[in-house]
Amino acid sequence: QKEVEQNSGPLSVPEGAIASLNCTYSDRGSQSFFWYRQYSGKSPELIMSIYSNGDKEDGRFTAQLNKASQYVSLLIRDSQPSDSATYLCAVNGGTYKYIFGTGTRLKVLA
Amino acid sequence: SQTIHQWPATLVQPVGSPLSLECTVEGTSNPNLYWYRQAAGRGLQLLFYSVGIGQISSEVPQNLSASRPQDRQFILSSKKLLLSDSGFYLCAWSPTGSGQYFGPGTRLTVT
Repeated sequence: QKEVEQNSGPLSVPEGAIASLNCTYSDRGSQSFFWYRQYSGKSPELIMSIYSNGDKEDGRFTAQLNKASQYVSLLIRDSQPSDSATYLCAVNGGTYKYIFGTGTRLKVLA
Repeated sequence: SQTIHQWPATLVQPVGSPLSLECTVEGTSNPNLYWYRQAAGRGLQLLFYSVGIGQISSEVPQNLSASRPQDRQFILSSKKLLLSDSGFYLCAWSPTGSGQYFGPGTRLTVT
């Protein structure tokens, strides 16, 4: 069974700090990796995609991928209360199917 | 730009009643389409996906079915709802190999 694991949280960080969200996956053949943000009662929103080892930066967000360790992370710099949400990690193995983790709830404290 | 629509936004249905949820995508052609269900406080469960008109792959054997009568239209149906069908139903589309873009969702309560 292909799996994506995330700590459910909540992860609490003070405003202005760096939030670090982690995800591990079981399928070594995974090729594409995604982070989604889901506010309470809303649908998930794609915020980052990463396809190769290393870091990818987009504004305050940095995605990090380490295929050897089967590990992908999301860093949020200068965290704001508006970043409080559940963050979902998803993995695609080159097929039409995506495997989602259950999400990490982030709380940014003002 | 691409837009994905879902309706209705909320629905309360009695056990044993039928269901029809509709999803349409604008601004793209031949998208990969997906139906997910999210139970309260849980992860996303893939129900169906489609890579073309009339092509449906089912991930979970249950009392739900899906159809794709047009390129950018995806319909989720049930003949008789169960209490366990309650949840947040999400339609999504994706270009091949890219991330997914979700519609606003339908919150279904079966009573």
